[in-house]
Amino acid sequence: QVQLVQSGAEVKKPGASVKVSCTASGYTFTTSSITWVRQAPGQGLEWMGWISAYDGNTNYAQKLQGRVTVTTDTSTSTAYMEVRSLTSDDTAVYYCARGGRGPDYWGQGTLVTVSS
Amino acid sequence: DVVMTQSPLSLPVTLGQPASISCRSSQSLVDSDGNTYLNWFQQRPGQSPRRLIYKVSNRDSGVPDRFSGSGSGTDFTLKISRVEAEDVGAYYCMQGTHWPLSFGGGTNVEI
Repeated sequence: QVQLVQSGAEVKKPGASVKVSCTASGYTFTTSSITWVRQAPGQGLEWMGWISAYDGNTNYAQKLQGRVTVTTDTSTSTAYMEVRSLTSDDTAVYYCARGGRGPDYWGQGTLVTVSS
Repeated sequence: DVVMTQSPLSLPVTLGQPASISCRSSQSLVDSDGNTYLNWFQQRPGQSPRRLIYKVSNRDSGVPDRFSGSGSGTDFTLKISRVEAEDVGAYYCMQGTHWPLSFGGGTNVEI
């Protein structure tokens, strides 16, 4: 069965960076893509970015462009999402999901807390 | 960028009664390939989102048939024919046609 398992919760200081991983199993990683979505406390879902695991093509939300990078390691079927120059506004649960136009399987979420 | 607008923000429902959520996009969601990439997600409290509907009206495997999606162009609807207690949570539409992709603001369904 398809599973996406994310790395554990992180606490970071303002100005730092965080890198969240998402390890896929149960399907051929390179035949699909990974979407990243975040959810601030008590708020809705925010689309962050997308990467094709086939050819590495990416697309990012305009407001995060330049501060977020998504990558993949096809040898380990793992996707990564790095956010730099963190502020308190980046405190959220970060999700990875399989697919782009209609993500079907989702990870369990990773809580990133930004606090001094 | 495409803006997705959902209504209502909050939807009080009665068990066994129907419920309906609206989603409007700022541009047509018909893709150049002829498909309309409009999805609906359910998020129960404390859980990850779950896709219910893709390409406007296709139900995902395991999704009860009381959930249905309809619409075209810029105007879409998610309907629950008879609300059950397990349907409580937030519902989001998401467009997958125009990059960058985007979600609606969400609708909280409460008994």
